[in-house]
Amino acid sequence: GENVEQHPSTLSVQEGDSAVIKCTYSDSASNYFPWYKQELGKRPQLIIDIRSNVGEKKDQRIAVTLNKTAKHFSLHITETQPEDSAVYFCAAASNTGNQFYFGTGTSLTVIP
Amino acid sequence: EPEVTQTPSHQVTQMGQEVILRCVPISNHLYFYWYRQILGQKVEFLVSFYNNEISEKSEIFDDQFSVERPDGSNFTLKIRSTKLEDSAMYFCASRRQGGTDTQYFGPGTRLTVL
Repeated sequence: GENVEQHPSTLSVQEGDSAVIKCTYSDSASNYFPWYKQELGKRPQLIIDIRSNVGEKKDQRIAVTLNKTAKHFSLHITETQPEDSAVYFCAAASNTGNQFYFGTGTSLTVIP
Repeated sequence: EPEVTQTPSHQVTQMGQEVILRCVPISNHLYFYWYRQILGQKVEFLVSFYNNEISEKSEIFDDQFSVERPDGSNFTLKIRSTKLEDSAMYFCASRRQGGTDTQYFGPGTRLTVL
């Protein structure tokens, strides 16, 4: 089955700086890659996703890039704010779309 | 905006007891999922459900687990004989279509097995 690895496990940045979180996956048939933000005790919230026919997607301060050849995708947050502090999970969907594999999460702390 | 809802928010049970966790997916969604998250760990896929049958399940989803859509709105996860290691947050999720459609999570049920 699919194996998703995520790095780093923790990340601290100064407010206003950029944050980058990277994930790799193993199954070349995976074709959908969502990113979730999870605040303490809350549900995972989708923040951005990318499909395998696209190399990059941007939504205001958040962007995701996908390299299908290398089987990795990354989340980029620019101009970070304290409210960006949370745990971020990447995920990859199986080729059927019926199973999702999550990374181990990155705890992001934005220091004011 | 419609949301996935789950009840109860917190369930405490004794080891060996049966529990049923309930979810109401978004009304026009056709694909349903259960996940669990042990405290401080990643979200783990349990099972997906479409057209009144299981689509895929993980190795975690053994004979102690079952899912059901008893009516047009509810989607349930039953654990037949709970173990201490079943203690976790259980999330339900749904999406309108399969493939690459967006998945929406419920708020979760925290299960504590004593």
